[in-house]
Amino acid sequence: GEQVEQRPPHLSVREGDSAVIICTYTDPNSYYFFWYKQEPGAGLQLLMKVFSSTEINEGQGFTVLLNKKDKQLSLNLTAAHPGDSAVYFCAVPRNNYAQGLTFGLGTRVSVFP
Amino acid sequence: EAAVTQSPRNKVTVTGGNVTLSCRQTNSHNYMYWYRQDTGHGLRLIHYSYGAGNLQIGDVPDGYKATRTTQEDFFLLLELASPSQTSLYFCASSDGTGVYEQYFGPGTRLTVL
Repeated sequence: GEQVEQRPPHLSVREGDSAVIICTYTDPNSYYFFWYKQEPGAGLQLLMKVFSSTEINEGQGFTVLLNKKDKQLSLNLTAAHPGDSAVYFCAVPRNNYAQGLTFGLGTRVSVFP
Repeated sequence: EAAVTQSPRNKVTVTGGNVTLSCRQTNSHNYMYWYRQDTGHGLRLIHYSYGAGNLQIGDVPDGYKATRTTQEDFFLLLELASPSQTSLYFCASSDGTGVYEQYFGPGTRLTVL
């Protein structure tokens, strides 16, 4: 089944700076990907869903890039602010799209002034 | 956005104890999932269900049973709890169409002494 590696495990970012989280997946047939955000004591909040047909996806304060050749998905935080402090997870479908998700191990992002 | 609730939010039991974790979703989603979250392992899928009466095995099912009584309700059962099952448990649901993004509940923290 699908496997996902996520790096780095921890990230300290000065407020206003940018940061990148990278996930590498194994199944070249994967065509949906997800980023989730987990704030302290909370569940996982869907941040963005990515289709393999779109290499660049933009949200509020971040950009997701998909490199299908290298099977990499990156979350780029632009102009980090304190509200971005959280754990971020990438996720890809396990085998088929109803059979649950395989998650990366997460990246803990801390934004400091 | 999907509404997924879990109860209890915190639970402490002893080794060999019997525990039931409850999950309810109110958005008519067909698919429901149970994950556990552990440091160093991220989120791992325990069981999932396509609908009432259906049960599928995930990646880490040993020591767990599950039951889907209605479209809304999905239960995770630990009949002989062990300290290795101390974890943060998340329930999620998905409508099973299109992108299959999952919506998560707030989690149940289980401690087995």
